[in-house]
Amino acid sequence: QVQLVESGGGLVKPGGSLRLSCVASGFTFSDYIMNWIRQAPGKGLEWVSYIGSSGTTIYYSDSARGRFTISRDNTGNSLYLQLNSLRDEDTAVYYCVREGFFDYWGQGTLVTVSS
Amino acid sequence: QSVVTQPPSASGTPGQRVTISCSGSRSNIGGHTVNWYQQPPGTAPKLLINGDNPRPSGVPDRFSASKSGTSASLAISGLQSEDEADYYCVAWDDRLNAFVFGTGTKVTVL
Repeated sequence: QVQLVESGGGLVKPGGSLRLSCVASGFTFSDYIMNWIRQAPGKGLEWVSYIGSSGTTIYYSDSARGRFTISRDNTGNSLYLQLNSLRDEDTAVYYCVREGFFDYWGQGTLVTVSS
Repeated sequence: QSVVTQPPSASGTPGQRVTISCSGSRSNIGGHTVNWYQQPPGTAPKLLINGDNPRPSGVPDRFSASKSGTSASLAISGLQSEDEADYYCVAWDDRLNAFVFGTGTKVTVL
C-alpha cells in the first residue's frame, strides 16, 4: 500500500531554516509527480510546491518562491523541502502528497516558527 | 485571499442532499480539472473526486461533482454522520502557475 512518511518538522525561530523529508513506499516513486501542501492551524489547505518525476520540472507558490527549495532522490524514494528565512506565517502542518491530482497524502509534519 | 471561493459552511439532516459550490475564474476552474478533498477533523485530507474520472476506490457513489464555466460543485446525497468534515476544491491556475485551493467548506450533519 502507498505510504508517505514526513519528518523534520519542529520549532524554529523566525529567520531560521529546516529541512523536511518524506519517505515513500508502496509504489514506484520515480514514476510520480510529488508535492508539498501545508495547512496553518485552523486554516485551509495551501499548495506549496510541485516537482516532476525526474526532478526537472518545479513550481512554487508565491509564498514559497525564493525561500523554499523542493528536491527529490529517486534512488532513495525520498522527497525534500528546504525551508529558509522562515516567518511566523509559515507555521503549519506540511504534507507530502503524491501526483498532480493529490491522490495520496502523508500524515504531515508540524513546523512552528516562533521566537 | 484565495482566488477560489467556497461557502464557509453547509449543513443538513441525515439523508438530505447537500451541495457545496466552488467559484473561480477562467484561469483556474474555467480551464482545468477540478478535484475535491474531504478532511475529517484531525486527519489528513483524502481525495474524493478527480475531475470526470471514476471515484477512487472506497469513495461512496453518494458523492458526485460537476462543473459549469468558472464554477464547480460537490453534491453529497443521502447525508450521513460520517460525512461531517471540511471539503476543499482545487484547480491549476494558468495565471499564477500554481495550484489554488478553495477556501474550504465545513459540513455539519444536524
